Amino acid sequence: GNSVTQMEGPVTLSEEAFLTINCTYTATGYPSLFWYVQYPGEGLQLLLKATKADDKGSNKGFEATYRKETTSFHLEKGSVQVSDSAVYFCALSGSSNTGGFKTIFGAGTRLFVKA
Amino acid sequence: NAGVTQTPKFRVLKTGQSMTLLCAQDMNHEYMYWYRQDPGMGLRLIHYSVGEGTTAKGEVPDGYNVSRLKKQNFLLGLESAAPSQTSVYFCASSYRSSVGTDTQYFGPGTRLTVL
Repeated sequence: GNSVTQMEGPVTLSEEAFLTINCTYTATGYPSLFWYVQYPGEGLQLLLKATKADDKGSNKGFEATYRKETTSFHLEKGSVQVSDSAVYFCALSGSSNTGGFKTIFGAGTRLFVKA
Repeated sequence: NAGVTQTPKFRVLKTGQSMTLLCAQDMNHEYMYWYRQDPGMGLRLIHYSVGEGTTAKGEVPDGYNVSRLKKQNFLLGLESAAPSQTSVYFCASSYRSSVGTDTQYFGPGTRLTVL
């Protein structure tokens, strides 16, 4: 079946540091890939997405490239801010065994950014 | 647009009590979902609905029931609460694009404690 694996946290960085959060997936067919972000006390919200191989999703300075050859969708940001402190979830939407599409979420990676 | 709203925000139950969580969305989405979020386990799908009057089981459906009598509402019921159901519950809704992408829009969550 489909699955998503993302790096364990927490990740602690100083402001203006470079961020990478790794995400790899297993899927049949051609899934869509997502990064969601959850700020303290809130629900998840879409950060960026990519729907086919070699697509790059970007938003708020974050980027991720859909790499089919390495089945990866790593999240990067060149210079993090304190306000980026949150939990980041990698997710996959693909065809399910029972038909239709289903979304699977990774376990989440907590990011702390220090001033 | 209010997006996805959930009531209540917090609730404390005693073992064996029942309750209903209400989710409402004003985006005319066909698909709605109930998840639970537990530390270190990411999001787990409880039940979902692909349209008014239809529901289906997700990954962890035991101990929960759902109903989708109106397109905009999705109710989650706990018939006899157990301490293992202590969690944060999130409702989400989504559209379906022609390529099967499945961006989900989340509510703010309900924090439930079962004593």
